[in-house]
Amino acid sequence: QKEVEQNSGPLSVPEGAIASLNCTYSDRGSQSFFWYRQYSGKSPELIMFIYSNGDKEDGRFTAQLNKASQYVSLLIRDSQPSDSATYLCAVTAGALNFGKGTSLLVTP
Amino acid sequence: ETGVTQTPRHLVMGMTNKKSLKCEQHLGHNAMYWYKQSAKKPLELMFVYNFKEQTENNSVPSRFSPECPNSSHLFLHLHTLQPEDSALYLCASSPTQRLGGNEQFFGPGTRLTVL
Repeated sequence: QKEVEQNSGPLSVPEGAIASLNCTYSDRGSQSFFWYRQYSGKSPELIMFIYSNGDKEDGRFTAQLNKASQYVSLLIRDSQPSDSATYLCAVTAGALNFGKGTSLLVTP
Repeated sequence: ETGVTQTPRHLVMGMTNKKSLKCEQHLGHNAMYWYKQSAKKPLELMFVYNFKEQTENNSVPSRFSPECPNSSHLFLHLHTLQPEDSALYLCASSPTQRLGGNEQFFGPGTRLTVL
């Protein structure tokens, strides 16, 4: 069973802080790693993808991948209330496997 | 139209009805996907089509029947569904299924209720 694990939260951070979202996966053959944001009642929206070990930055978002530890994370700097959503981690070695998501709440 | 569109956005059907969900992508992608999203559960991959050929059927019951007439259109035909099939059905597309091109973009979904 290929599993992707995320803490369901909610993770609550104050506005302007750094939000750190974590994800572990079981399939060592995984090659592509994605973070999606899903607002309530909406469909998932791709915000980051990473293929290689290390960090990848895009604006306020940084994805971090450690294949040895089978761990991928998403950092959101200067968190805004509009970042409040569920963040889905997805991992693929073929078919895309999604975690259940972490609910993030950014409080003003 | 841009991105990935799905119709209808909401559907209520009885267990004996036959209905179809439609997905269209305007991104020039070659791979299309059907997912089911139920409350408190991860997104479940149902079917994958790559260049119109079905490449994955994730042990989906036969009451769900996909159809992909071309790389831009994907259908999900529904018949004799059960109440537990009520969920959000999401369509997605990606440039390819291969590494480096398999980032998926989702449509808005169809909220299905089976009575």
